[in-house]
Amino acid sequence: DTGVSQDPRHKITKRGQNVTFRCDPISEHNRLYWYRQTLGQGPEFLTYFQNEAQLEKSRLLSDRFSAERPKGSFSTLEIQRTEQGDSAMYLCASSLWESETQYFGPGTRLLVL
Amino acid sequence: AQSVTQLGSHVSVSEGALVLLRCNYSSSVPPYLFWYVQYPNQGLQLLLKYTSAATLVKGINGFEAEFKKSETSFHLTKPSAHMSDAAEYFCAVSRIIQGAQKLVFGQGTRLTINP
Repeated sequence: DTGVSQDPRHKITKRGQNVTFRCDPISEHNRLYWYRQTLGQGPEFLTYFQNEAQLEKSRLLSDRFSAERPKGSFSTLEIQRTEQGDSAMYLCASSLWESETQYFGPGTRLLVL
Repeated sequence: AQSVTQLGSHVSVSEGALVLLRCNYSSSVPPYLFWYVQYPNQGLQLLLKYTSAATLVKGINGFEAEFKKSETSFHLTKPSAHMSDAAEYFCAVSRIIQGAQKLVFGQGTRLTINP
């Protein structure tokens, strides 16, 4: 069990560029979550996968955001045409089927200039 | 809808003193409650959780929390603070969405330990 990993850990981009983040959950965890955390706030739910199916999306996830989990293992979160307001820490978490405990990765910190 | 309020965005205690971080929740159904800790530039680590078993929950690093339904509270305590406890602490309540647990977090409490 190597824990949840995220890549990259830091990303600086210019406004209008596209960025993609990757999350590798703990192996055999079939549930995967994405959260966003802005400075001084608690994390906010973005979206959730059960295996490869995306089952819920927050209204925070605008049309510029897309998430995938094509084979039910790793997941990617893409932000198109980034805006300064997208600057935040993007956290990924995973859990086992019917478990209430989510294990978080170290996060990807995005700065949009 | 479930929500969490953490009282005090900053708490400062002396090393060796009692740590008390306050959390009140709102939930229309019996909640699952969690405390997570976040060190600078890191993800969240689970300290402890309440899942409708014992009301006094013990976690890692000497922390514990007591679920009080009558007060809708889930305060986090540690008898003696250590310098390594300095971090951001988040209380969370979970809401079930299609069988999974969506976490709703409070705004966090930054704990500072004075030598």
